[in-house]
Amino acid sequence: QLVLTQSPSASASLGASVKLTCTLSSGHSSYAITWHQQQPEKGPRYLMEVNSDGSHNKGDGIPDRFSGSSSGAERYLTVSSLQSEDEADYYCQTWGTGIVVFGGGTKLTVL
Amino acid sequence: EVRLLESGGGLVQPGGSLRLSCAASGFTFSSYAMNWVRQAPGKGLEWVSTLSGSGISTYYADSVKGRFAISRDNSKNTLYLQMNSLRGEDTALYYCAKAEAYDQSGVDHWGQGTLVTVSS
Repeated sequence: QLVLTQSPSASASLGASVKLTCTLSSGHSSYAITWHQQQPEKGPRYLMEVNSDGSHNKGDGIPDRFSGSSSGAERYLTVSSLQSEDEADYYCQTWGTGIVVFGGGTKLTVL
Repeated sequence: EVRLLESGGGLVQPGGSLRLSCAASGFTFSSYAMNWVRQAPGKGLEWVSTLSGSGISTYYADSVKGRFAISRDNSKNTLYLQMNSLRGEDTALYYCAKAEAYDQSGVDHWGQGTLVTVSS
């Protein structure tokens, strides 16, 4: 069964960096995923796609502070030089035959 | 610039029906699969349905299978979601979301959503 697992919460200080993790279920470690940001009271925004080899393709206008990487079944989103507007929910998403899956989301708090 | 504009949400009684629309612009609509994704109040994102670019291949979450129907009119650049036998647990903000490719793939653009409330 295709499942994405995310930690419910994360926190980091203003100006620091944070690395969020999205873990693919067993047998699905080759899958690409996408990352999405949802700021409070707003709709989701596409950030990037991250492939199993660690390559990533960002959406239009996404700052260089956002980057993606991979290791095994884990896909990462790193946000550097944290700003107050980065405080948001972050979701990963993937797809398989006949199904699209979202992770449960990570709420990022900027301290 | 890709734009997705949902409409059709509202208050409906349990057991009732509603049809959502999503008007798309800024890309070749027929070349991309389209999705409906919903978010219940205070909850995460939940995939509802996907339709391939041709409109031939349809996919549904188990929670809506047999009750919802996704369709598209490529001549009008519009995506639809017909929702029947609505339940309280269908209450959510419904987003139209563009896929990266012709069939199931990553989501790369989102609409602003339309709110569906199922209540007596």
